[in-house]
Order: sequence, then C-alpha cells, then structure tokens
Amino acid sequence: KNQVEQSPQSLIILEGKNCTLQCNYTVSPFSNLRWYKQDTGRGPVSLTIMTFSENTKSNGRYTATLDADTKQSSLHITASQLSDSASYICVVSEGDAGNMLTFGGGTRLMVKP
Amino acid sequence: KAGVTQTPRYLIKTRGQQVTLSCSPISGHRSVSWYQQTPGQGLQFLFEYFSETQRNKGNFPGRFSGRQFSNSRSEMNVSTLELGDSALYLCASSLRPPLGGEQFFGPGTRLTVL
Repeated sequence: KNQVEQSPQSLIILEGKNCTLQCNYTVSPFSNLRWYKQDTGRGPVSLTIMTFSENTKSNGRYTATLDADTKQSSLHITASQLSDSASYICVVSEGDAGNMLTFGGGTRLMVKP
Repeated sequence: KAGVTQTPRYLIKTRGQQVTLSCSPISGHRSVSWYQQTPGQGLQFLFEYFSETQRNKGNFPGRFSGRQFSNSRSEMNVSTLELGDSALYLCASSLRPPLGGEQFFGPGTRLTVL
C-alpha cells in the first residue's frame, strides 16, 4: 500500500530559527514529490515539486531535498517567520496516475515570537 | 488571473440529504481534482477529471460522484449524507494531468452533516 509518513507531527520553534521537516514514502512507481503549505481554513499552496532526478529545490526560505534511493525528503525552513505557522504536507504522485496523489499526515508548525 | 473558486464555502446538511459542490478552475486549466480533508484521515483523493472524463478515482463509496463540464467547471455530489462526510472538500486545478504539473487549490467547501 502506498504510504507517506511525516515527522514530527507538530513542532514549535522561535521566530528566526531554522527547522527541518521529514517525509518518508513507499509510493511506487514514483513520479514526483511535492511539499505544500496549508494555512488554517485555507487550501494548500504548493512550495516545491521535485521529480526523480532532482535532489534539491528552493523556494525562497524553503529548501526541499529528495533522496529517491532511500525514499526520503526533507523541507528546511530558514530564518522562520511568524507567517510560517501552518501545516506542511508532503505529497507523492504515483507513476502515470496524474493527480491521484498520496498525502502525508502533515507537520503542524508553530512559530512563536 | 483569478484563482480556483469553490461554492458554497460553508454548508450544513442533515443525514440522508444530498449535496452538490461546485468548483471553477483557473482559466485555461483543464484538469480538476477533488479531495476530502478530515482531522482524522488527513487529505484523501476523491477523483480527477480531464476534458470531461474521469481519469482516476480514489477509494470512496459510490455515494461520491462528480462530473466536469465542457468549460472545465466541475461539480461533486454526495448522496445519502452520513455524519462521517463532514469535512473540508478541496478542489484543485492544473493545466493538464501531471506528470509534474503544479496544482492550484481552491479555498474549499466546509461541509457539516448533522
């Protein structure tokens, strides 16, 4: 069964600090991996999309890494801001399954002043 | 460019009723997908439509159905509502079915079943 596991489930950090969120997946065949940010009560917003051949992708203060061999990804947030408080969801697309995505449970990040 | 819009934003229904949710994709986007989000199960894929055809379907009972119109707008219907159907229903659009295509999500419809 295709699965996407995220850790930690929740995280509290101080403003200005860095943090790293983890994602492990068993989806096969793999097509791409996406990280989304979801603010409370809103739809998810795409941060990065990585295919098999990409190891690192950045979007401002967000940097995602992908190790397709170990089926692991991480999302690193640099110099956190209060507005980074949200849920971060790792999503894996299977083969040629279009938008039939497998979602992780998310990591709920809270940035405190 | 206008984003993905969903109507209504909030809905309250009672068990046994049926409901229809609407999604208007970003102009030019032909792929529309639907997802259910609950606190217990997280985000789960419902179905995907492209050019009025259902491409993929998630593991949901037949009470959940959808369709897409020629203008790419999509509707989702849930019949014989159950308490467990209470959730945030999200619609997302993309230019075409990925591989690698970026999806843009709407704000969702919050459905409460009493």
